[in-house]
Amino acid sequence: GDSVTQMEGPVTLSEEAFLTINCTYTATGYPSLFWYVQYPGEGLQLLLKATKADDKGSNKGFEATYRKETTSFHLEKGSVQVSDSAVYFCALSRHGSSNTGKLIFGQGTTLQVKP
Amino acid sequence: DSGVTQTPKHLITATGQRVTLRCSPRSGDLSVYWYQQSLDQGLQFLIQYYNGEERAKGNILERFSAQQFPDLHSELNLSSLELGDSALYFCASSVGGAGGHTEAFFGQGTRLTVV
Repeated sequence: GDSVTQMEGPVTLSEEAFLTINCTYTATGYPSLFWYVQYPGEGLQLLLKATKADDKGSNKGFEATYRKETTSFHLEKGSVQVSDSAVYFCALSRHGSSNTGKLIFGQGTTLQVKP
Repeated sequence: DSGVTQTPKHLITATGQRVTLRCSPRSGDLSVYWYQQSLDQGLQFLIQYYNGEERAKGNILERFSAQQFPDLHSELNLSSLELGDSALYFCASSVGGAGGHTEAFFGQGTRLTVV
């Protein structure tokens, strides 16, 4: 079945460091890919998405490129801030009328940014 | 604020009991999804309703059931509760019932503790 694998955390960085969180997926066809972020005590918020191969999603300085050849959707940010500390989830959703929009999530990666 | 409202925020109950979690989707959204977030299982899709009808089922136990009412709010009923049911339960809503491009908006979750 479909699955998403993320790098294990926690990831601890200093402010202004470069961030990469790896995400790979297994799915038949060409799913849509998402990054969600969960701040402490809150629900999940969509950070960015990409719906087809080679699409780049971006938001708030974060970027991820849909790579079909490596089945990956790695999250990057050039300079992290303390306020970026959160749990990040990679997820996929199938396309097509027979698919329902349910999300399949990776296990989440905790990011801690120190001043 | 995602526009998705979940109540209650916290729930503590004893083993063997039954509880009901409530979700009000964003205005105009027809789909409601329920997810369970636990430390050992991560974020798991439970069930989806679209405009009052069950649309998809995931890893939902037989002791759990859900429904979506004519006003589109949804309830998740958990019965014969066990310690292992302790988790954060999220509701999400989206406009459509199909996958891919439709963004899902998440509520803040109900934290269930079974003692």
